[in-house]
Amino acid sequence: DTGVSQDPRHKITKRGQNVTFRCDPISEHNRLYWYRQTLGQGPEFLTYFQNEAQLEKSRLLSDRFSAERPKGSFSTLEIQRTEQGDSAMYLCASSLESRSETQYFGPGTRLLVL
Amino acid sequence: AQTVTQSQPEMSVQEAETVTLSCTYDTSESDYYLFWYKQPPSRQMILVIRQEAYKQQNATENRFSVNFQKAAKSFSLKISDSQLGDAAMYFCAYQYNDMRFGAGTRLTVKP
Repeated sequence: DTGVSQDPRHKITKRGQNVTFRCDPISEHNRLYWYRQTLGQGPEFLTYFQNEAQLEKSRLLSDRFSAERPKGSFSTLEIQRTEQGDSAMYLCASSLESRSETQYFGPGTRLLVL
Repeated sequence: AQTVTQSQPEMSVQEAETVTLSCTYDTSESDYYLFWYKQPPSRQMILVIRQEAYKQQNATENRFSVNFQKAAKSFSLKISDSQLGDAAMYFCAYQYNDMRFGAGTRLTVKP
């Protein structure tokens, strides 16, 4: 399967703990996006990378959130000091370089903060 | 700010019938892209159809077609000959730089 993959698929953590998610994009895709989706809502943009450069961050991305794409391939999204309000599905998508290109989504990581 | 509105939280259609899902958006840009994505229960989001704003011709993909009205900022999705497998959440999305999604429409297909 050469689609976008995400790991883990599910994560349960206690409030205050740190969590890290990984996304592996489609291999030839330069752009990688992170979204958050809460129950019954559409995805909300968090941030995106072009190669290893983080080009845009949403105001939703508080200072407890950090994303990296160190070699322009896979990306990680870390949430420090998790809060119950962080419970959501975290989606990753990738696309070719250009804002006109279609984004292809991974299966998501569902986070539950207790 | 760009916003996407899906005014129908839920829709239902009889198998083999046709259904139209509505979407409106707000933007001051002229060169943008519109998408419909499908998200089945507990499964990942997949692209249904896309439309380039500079194209006047409405996009079609097999049983799926759109009615793109640029001046009205409207982008509806028509599903013909509905199948049980079409049951899912459908999200309308607008892309200029980042992508903005509507809240979704849950489509139920009745056998």
